[in-house]
Amino acid sequence: GAVVSQHPSWVICKSGTSVKIECRSLDFQATTMFWYRQFPKQSLMLMATSNEGSKATYEQGVEKDKFLINHASLTLSTLTVTSAHPEDSSFYICSAASGGLSNEQFFGPGTRLTVL
Amino acid sequence: GNSVTQMEGPVTLSEEAFLTINCTYTATGYPSLFWYVQYPGEGLQLLLKATKADDKGSNKGFEATYRKETTSFHLEKGSVQVSDSAVYFCALIHNDMRFGAGTRLTVKP
Repeated sequence: GAVVSQHPSWVICKSGTSVKIECRSLDFQATTMFWYRQFPKQSLMLMATSNEGSKATYEQGVEKDKFLINHASLTLSTLTVTSAHPEDSSFYICSAASGGLSNEQFFGPGTRLTVL
Repeated sequence: GNSVTQMEGPVTLSEEAFLTINCTYTATGYPSLFWYVQYPGEGLQLLLKATKADDKGSNKGFEATYRKETTSFHLEKGSVQVSDSAVYFCALIHNDMRFGAGTRLTVKP
């Protein structure tokens, strides 16, 4: 299957700072990328869907001003957690697809964010 | 709304044991159903899927049958191996995508 990478794999930051997480599709063009959040022992929660070159669509309850998503190219999407707080600490996972939600998604390994 | 419930883990089995991980769903229509597997240090990978009632998805010795009458999609494997140790996620797509909480499987030699 296709390979999706995330960087960094883990990050620790101070409260109030911003953190950027990158998601790259290494061997295919991803017209759509998805960002998920996973709490310990809980399921993945879809945060937003981003299509290359357009604004991301956020799920209900997800603050778009706090979680900035950019999908500037067919191989790169970024998630920026702005003014991070301890409650933002979580495991963030991206996936990429060459199409919409019904197409197969290829997942990155995830990024663990810890906000002190 | 849509939701997925899967059996809680962790599950520990001996090699060659039979595996069942239960998954049930709630959806207003006819979702597509999936099982994903996550090996240590890696991203989720699609293991198998079924898109309509009575379909059976299969891959790597794993099987799951889409049961509309019981709204279930249980994962089974007749003889597990140590290399099957991973976290397994049941998921559905129907207007949106929902995942179960994941079940960690450990297979001991």
